[in-house]
Amino acid sequence: AQKVTQAQTEISVVEKEDVTLDCVYETRDTTYYLFWYKQPPSGELVFLIRRNSFDEQNEISGRYSWNFQKSTSSFNFTITASQVVDSAVYFCALRDTGGFKTIFGAGTRLFVKA
Amino acid sequence: GAGVSQSPSNKVTEKGKDVELRCDPISGHTALYWYRQSLGQGLEFLIYFQGNSAPDKSGLPSDRFSAERTGGSVSTLTIQRTQQEDSAVYLCASSPRGILTNTGELFFGEGSRLTVL
Repeated sequence: AQKVTQAQTEISVVEKEDVTLDCVYETRDTTYYLFWYKQPPSGELVFLIRRNSFDEQNEISGRYSWNFQKSTSSFNFTITASQVVDSAVYFCALRDTGGFKTIFGAGTRLFVKA
Repeated sequence: GAGVSQSPSNKVTEKGKDVELRCDPISGHTALYWYRQSLGQGLEFLIYFQGNSAPDKSGLPSDRFSAERTGGSVSTLTIQRTQQEDSAVYLCASSPRGILTNTGELFFGEGSRLTVL
């Protein structure tokens, strides 16, 4: 069975701090996709990134970076120099490439204080 | 509009009443999903549509829940004889491609918040 675990329920940081959101997944599939979504206070989930299981290259996009380690089944998300606008709930998700069901973790609520 | 549209945005109902929640996906998106988000919880998968058919209904919590999709577009999630535990935000998402080529990004609506008194 597939499972996504986000052990951090809430994280609170001060603006400009770096913060890492953890994601650990379980799947028996050999090929799959991993995702991160952001849910700001307004409520609408926004797609941030997709990573294929066969591509372990880390990715950086501005202040965001993602560390995918297949050996530890982890797909962690780091925000560098956090800003108040980063305050949101962040969800990690998993889907096998042959299927359709996307499984979400419970989410991590990030508070960034000015 | 360009995005996934859901209505109503808020619905308050009395226990035992039936409710219908509507989702209008992004034009051309063949895949449509319903999720439920309870207060402070993650997203619980309910059902998936590919075109008008629903290959997997296993996520529906009980037989009081049903969903349909017509014309490969609009979908309706119906909850009969609502219970207080049905209170949640019901999220709809669509995806641009079919099952074999779908790279998986989901485009979400703003959700329908259901409160059962």
